Amino acid sequence: EAQVTQNPRYLITVTGKKLTVTCSQNMNHEYMSWYRQDPGLGLRQIYYSMNVEVTDKGDVPEGYKVSRKEKRNFPLILESPSPNQTSLYFCASSARSFPPYEQYFGPGTRLTVT
Amino acid sequence: DAKTTQPPSMDCAEGRAANLPCNHSTISGNEYVYWYRQIHSQGPQYIIHGLKNNETNEMASLIITEDRKSSTLILPHATLRDTAVYYCIVRVAVAGGTSYGKLTFGQGTILTVHP
Repeated sequence: EAQVTQNPRYLITVTGKKLTVTCSQNMNHEYMSWYRQDPGLGLRQIYYSMNVEVTDKGDVPEGYKVSRKEKRNFPLILESPSPNQTSLYFCASSARSFPPYEQYFGPGTRLTVT
Repeated sequence: DAKTTQPPSMDCAEGRAANLPCNHSTISGNEYVYWYRQIHSQGPQYIIHGLKNNETNEMASLIITEDRKSSTLILPHATLRDTAVYYCIVRVAVAGGTSYGKLTFGQGTILTVHP
């Protein structure tokens, strides 16, 4: 089954404790992206990757890092999480970055930073 | 990418057609109309997209006006499981530029399907 998977699905952590949220897709997609969703603010793009070893900032990259060493994986790294990074995170992938290719989203990771 | 306007909420009876409008009056010739939905904090789900012609797939139909300034997503026989937030998104059809694949989600339309 074609899908985007994320782990963990739920995470409660403390300020400053480094964490990684994994994202993997099995569709051989070139484009991958991370979004965060907050009440009243909608979904906002954090980082994206056009292909292996090619990543760039989205609209809200502060406090996050990413890497794309393999085509299928695109982990999101929070080096020193803070409470304002409490959010619902989604990973997405697409064959290409532009239409008509649609994007597929993972199930989400709900992160709470205390 | 062009801005879209959607009603904040709509209701529909189960089994009836749900018609969700979207206004995109500033759309340009190389921009596609996409529809996604999000069911209760799950990952957004792609529904359908179109450029100029009407489109239909197993989930829905997309009707785009001749001037392309508005469109309507039609769920032909709504079920309770179609209750979700529906997003209309306009995307430029060429690679490059500052968007680089970013989907700009507005507030969407909350569709509630009633028994």
